[in-house]
Amino acid sequence: DQQVKQNSPSLSVQEGRISILNCDYTNSMFDYFLWYKKYPAEGPTFLISISSIKDKNEDGRFTVFLNKSAKHLSLHIVPSQPGDSAVYFCAAIPNAGGTSYGKLTFGQGTILTVHP
Amino acid sequence: GAGVSQSPSNKVTEKGKDVELRCDPISGHTALYWYRQSLGQGLEFLIYFQGNSAPDKSGLPSDRFSAERTGGSVSTLTIQRTQQEDSAVYLCASSPGRWVEKLFFGSGTQLSVL
Repeated sequence: DQQVKQNSPSLSVQEGRISILNCDYTNSMFDYFLWYKKYPAEGPTFLISISSIKDKNEDGRFTVFLNKSAKHLSLHIVPSQPGDSAVYFCAAIPNAGGTSYGKLTFGQGTILTVHP
Repeated sequence: GAGVSQSPSNKVTEKGKDVELRCDPISGHTALYWYRQSLGQGLEFLIYFQGNSAPDKSGLPSDRFSAERTGGSVSTLTIQRTQQEDSAVYLCASSPGRWVEKLFFGSGTQLSVL
């Protein structure tokens, strides 16, 4: 049972344009969401997060949007740069701020390629 | 070291053999996690250590999988009688506390079971 889904295995974007990566979840107990970025032969690194009490969080070129009613989140990268080419994972956790710890549920990942 | 270190980076083994995967977390990090990523799948939680104890082992796929952590530092994941479906990248992560944003991953061990 895939509780977090990234339905696009890959995305190709021109440098300078917007990249939009999507993620859907099914577990209504999830209340904290994260995006990780992974380069080949490296571990994932944290990129940006959002709590369910917000619908938007912005950090420089990266913005995450959360639509709780649709159980959908998206990561926008503007403008996209060739160095952004990587695999992007969304992840979710329930009961954040309570007794939760780093037991994340991850999506399958989306390979982003930004062409110069 | 500066980051989470895992060894070996690659391991090829024959079906039925036992393997040990090692993780050196960031110094001072009390929490340690093992995840694995099978081909085409997302990262899958295996086990969580707080200090030397493992309050959550719920992700271990079978009793062939075990893990320990000693001295609040190094952890070893052992897979006994390996099967082909065990082939995956095994990732270790550590964090200084409960903050999930502070989860730092190693580069993983690519395990191939022939």
